[in-house]
Amino acid sequence: DAGVTQSPTHLIKTRGQQVTLRCSPISGHKSVSWYQQVLGQGPQFIFQYYEKEERGRGNFPDRFSARQFPNYSSELNVNALLLGDSALYLCASTLRTVNTEAFFGQGTRLTVV
Amino acid sequence: QKEVEQDPGPLSVPEGAIVSLNCTYSNSAFQYFMWYRQYSRKGPELLMYTYSSGNKEDGRFTAQVDKSSKYISLFIRDSQPSDSATYLCAMCLGSSNTGKLIFGQGTTLQVKP
Repeated sequence: DAGVTQSPTHLIKTRGQQVTLRCSPISGHKSVSWYQQVLGQGPQFIFQYYEKEERGRGNFPDRFSARQFPNYSSELNVNALLLGDSALYLCASTLRTVNTEAFFGQGTRLTVV
Repeated sequence: QKEVEQDPGPLSVPEGAIVSLNCTYSNSAFQYFMWYRQYSRKGPELLMYTYSSGNKEDGRFTAQVDKSSKYISLFIRDSQPSDSATYLCAMCLGSSNTGKLIFGQGTTLQVKP
């Protein structure tokens, strides 16, 4: 079975631009969470979606938004990019809302210049 | 003060050594405790999770949770060079409607041949 897949793997954007990151969860998993990992730090929670509904939001500005589709895949959008948004963006897939066994994708490395 | 504290290391040990990795936390409501391994430029890989206090063993890995002290540990026996990675502890409430994971900063481990 395929694991969590994220696309793209790398991208470079300019300050002020907008970016969309994509995630496909493990087959049968209905919950997707997004995390931001800055170099040298642990991942920070951004959003969780379950059955297309937002179930949790971390301490991130409104420039960050997400959605989940009927097939449980998800997109993370970031508007008005800042240099500080440069990070590894991780998607985690779980069967249910409580993430006792969360499986992560390989991440999307975003560089803002 | 961070909710989860983890010594970033780096920790360097010879091959075959027993490794002890630790995290402390402040929120006594955490119910689930996880350990992830993250290789450079990859997503975190779930090693083990434990519910509440106690020990759990899986091969060369043993996880311990002491809720009275708000302290968790991961022991690696007979460490191998392939164990060289960053180890992240993570926790979640479990009983709420969201599965937000709180991560430590990560400890970088190097096992020398």
